[in-house]
Amino acid sequence: NAGVTQTPKFQVLKTGQSMTLQCAQDMNHEYMSWYRQDPGMGLRLIHYSVGAGITDQGEVPNGYNVSRSTTEDFPLRLLSAAPSQTSVYFCASSYLRTLGGPDEQFFGPGTRLTVL
Amino acid sequence: SQQGEEDPQALSIQEGENATMNCSYKTSINNLQWYRQNSGRGLVHLILIRSNEREKHSGRLRVTLDTSKKSSSLLITASRAADTASYFCATESNYQLIWGAGTKLIIKP
Repeated sequence: NAGVTQTPKFQVLKTGQSMTLQCAQDMNHEYMSWYRQDPGMGLRLIHYSVGAGITDQGEVPNGYNVSRSTTEDFPLRLLSAAPSQTSVYFCASSYLRTLGGPDEQFFGPGTRLTVL
Repeated sequence: SQQGEEDPQALSIQEGENATMNCSYKTSINNLQWYRQNSGRGLVHLILIRSNEREKHSGRLRVTLDTSKKSSSLLITASRAADTASYFCATESNYQLIWGAGTKLIIKP
């Protein structure tokens, strides 16, 4: 199993450009999520999904879009990049517990994004 | 705003000593999870403790949860150089995981 894969590993954008960060998992996990991590801070939830066709907003969704057309893939789209979006982005996936809610999270290696 | 707050922000101890870090949170939760992160890499899950559990062990790790005080602690016994990392707590409620800012642990040889 490859686990959770993210591409690209590094990306530099100019202000106003758009791009898509890719995330895929091969563990048949229902739950997938995107986080950003800024220096010296914990993770902040951007968007999450509890299954194909279902997405919802986290703490910091502004400026980002997601879609979940398949169980495996959960791309994150930056609509018009801004310097404030310079960060490390992590994708994670997990099973959903029987009573609901995400279980142990499996993380991808991250994408380091710089917006000039 | 971040739900969990870890304490201390940084901890430096000698190899072989025990390390204790704490996490406080604000609202009711379904479970609390602890993760380790090495040098900006992806996070690795350590332990998940459910809201109806008070203590859980995994190898050299011991986690406690006090829902009345809205706090948790992670104890690493007999620390090793490889335990040097940042440790994060995350609380889960309403399908969302909310993270603290982490404790940076340094193990001195």
